Amino acid sequence: AAGVIQSPRHLIKEKRETATLKCYPIPRHDTVYWYQQGPGQDPQFLISFYEKMQSDKGSIPDRFSAQQFSDYHSELNMSSLELGDSALYFCASATSGRYEQYFGPGTRLTVT
Amino acid sequence: LAKTTQPISMDSYEGQEVNITCSHNNIATNDYITWYQQFPSQGPRFIIQGYKTKVTNEVASLFIPADRKSSTLSLPRVSLSDTAVYYCLVGDYTNAGKSTFGDGTTLTVKP
Repeated sequence: AAGVIQSPRHLIKEKRETATLKCYPIPRHDTVYWYQQGPGQDPQFLISFYEKMQSDKGSIPDRFSAQQFSDYHSELNMSSLELGDSALYFCASATSGRYEQYFGPGTRLTVT
Repeated sequence: LAKTTQPISMDSYEGQEVNITCSHNNIATNDYITWYQQFPSQGPRFIIQGYKTKVTNEVASLFIPADRKSSTLSLPRVSLSDTAVYYCLVGDYTNAGKSTFGDGTTLTVKP
């Protein structure tokens, strides 16, 4: 079965640079969630989209923005990167009206 | 959003049944209970979901008492590969993102 695809899988950036993470949900899933997981921490919800509109917002820094496109893929844009942004970033997709989420393999971002 | 409480860690041996209990005293009428499994450096994996009574699938069972203030994930005959962090989340699809991954239970299965 098709799963959530995230790209790139690994990304190395320097401080103050920008990064763009991409997420391709499971076909026919219309909801996308973004999470950040630091080393040894639990996943922290950043933001979600339903039918291309922001549906919920968590602890997403103002330096980050995201959107969902007409094909339902989503991009997380991160600017002015800081060392503390180094983490695993997960995208999850779901079908509206359903509570369970299906996670991608994650993007490991390292900021040096 | 209902807050959940789970044991921080549990140890077990191969072949044993493992039961992980989650407390969610403030669960709302529309809330579902969902369990995820996470291996290091991988995304959480959906295991099972339930609303009341008992749910069983090919990997686990979920027991939910009538008052729904707790739930128990049951893993039959665990193996070394079941060593992972297990998270209990409570919510509905309208607040799924904010049904935060709180402190999960680190299950260690020993040979």
